[in-house]
Amino acid sequence: DQQVKQNSPSLSVQEGRISILNCDYTNSMFDYFLWYKKYPAEGPTFLISISSIKDKNEDGRFTVFLNKSAKHLSLHIVPSQPGDSAVYFCAASLSYFGNEKLTFGTGTRLTIIP
Amino acid sequence: DSGVTQTPKHLITATGQRVTLRCSPRSGDLSVYWYQQSLDQGLQFLIQYYNGEERAKGNILERFSAQQFPDLHSELNLSSLELGDSALYFCASSPRVGTYEQYFGPGTRLTVT
Repeated sequence: DQQVKQNSPSLSVQEGRISILNCDYTNSMFDYFLWYKKYPAEGPTFLISISSIKDKNEDGRFTVFLNKSAKHLSLHIVPSQPGDSAVYFCAASLSYFGNEKLTFGTGTRLTIIP
Repeated sequence: DSGVTQTPKHLITATGQRVTLRCSPRSGDLSVYWYQQSLDQGLQFLIQYYNGEERAKGNILERFSAQQFPDLHSELNLSSLELGDSALYFCASSPRVGTYEQYFGPGTRLTVT
């Protein structure tokens, strides 16, 4: 049962434009969400997170939006740069559950076209 | 560089064998997590240790076990290996309970032949 879904396996965006990566979840008890970026042969790198009490969090070029009613979050990258080409994973956690394990989506491969 | 180290980087072994993967967390981090990433899959949570004690368990097979030592490094032991155990195994760490941002090591690629 895939509780966190990234339905787009890949996405190509022109350099300088906006990249929008999407993530859906099924468990309404998830209350903390994160985005990770992964380059080949490296471990995932934490990018940005959002608590369920917020609907937006911004950090530089990266903004995460959370729509709890739709059980949907998105990551916006503006402007997109060639170094943003990587696989992006969204992840979710149940903070009330007493542990910090993350449930990951299957990832979206983002390619920035120069 | 996340500060989390994992050894070895690559491991090739035969079915039925046993291997040990090692992880050193970031300096000062008390929590260690193990994840498995099979081909085209997301990362699957295996187990979490906090300051030497098991804190949470995911879908970890009985053939797999882990521990965290007093110096906070952790080992993941995989035994009676099967072809399907071939995967990337990641270790992550975080400083304390209630922190959800985890910092990942570069992973160990296990190939079972």
